[in-house]
Amino acid sequence: SQKIEQNSEALNIQEGKTATLTCNYTNYSPAYLQWYRQDPGRGPVFLLLIRENEKEKRKERLKVTFDTTLKQSLFHITASQPADSATYLCALDPNGGATNKLIFGTGTLLAVQP
Amino acid sequence: DVKVTQSSRYLVKRTGEKVFLECVQDMDHENMFWYRQDPGLGLRLIYFSYDVKMKEKGDIPEGYSVSREKKERFSLILESASTNQTSMYLCASTSAGGETDTQYFGPGTRLTVL
Repeated sequence: SQKIEQNSEALNIQEGKTATLTCNYTNYSPAYLQWYRQDPGRGPVFLLLIRENEKEKRKERLKVTFDTTLKQSLFHITASQPADSATYLCALDPNGGATNKLIFGTGTLLAVQP
Repeated sequence: DVKVTQSSRYLVKRTGEKVFLECVQDMDHENMFWYRQDPGLGLRLIYFSYDVKMKEKGDIPEGYSVSREKKERFSLILESASTNQTSMYLCASTSAGGETDTQYFGPGTRLTVL
């Protein structure tokens, strides 16, 4: 079956360390993959998009990698801060952008301890 | 900035009531979506609309209907609310024909059905 998997267990890290979150998918061939941040009781907010022909994408302290062979994306936050604590969702368009619909993972909760 | 607003942040209704959730976006987006989000299940697509008066069922349309009379407004209707429809409801919009389908979310409506 087709699915997107993110680690359902919360990730607890110390302030200043690098947080790494994983997104694995099966049976899709997405043209790109997106990452969103969601704070408690709020809607998700778009962070980054990485295309299938890009190995890595950066934005300030955020870095995303995309390995289409492994069917995996890694999301890194360097020099993490307590304000980075949130749930992070990955998402992809299963139809390669043809329908504008996204499939979301269930998200990983990141807790950065001061 | 894209702005997606939802009519209520919190709503409490009784079983059997008809419930209207409204969503308005100000970016002239063609596509609009309604999701529900439950712990452990992630975001699940209820309905989406790719144009005025056009709609398509998502993954879990049972018990819901939608209305899109104007481009900026997309309404979700619970014809007869049931307790299993207690959830967080999120509206999103995206531009059709764009290079990517990044979705912009509203703040969410936490619906409780008693």
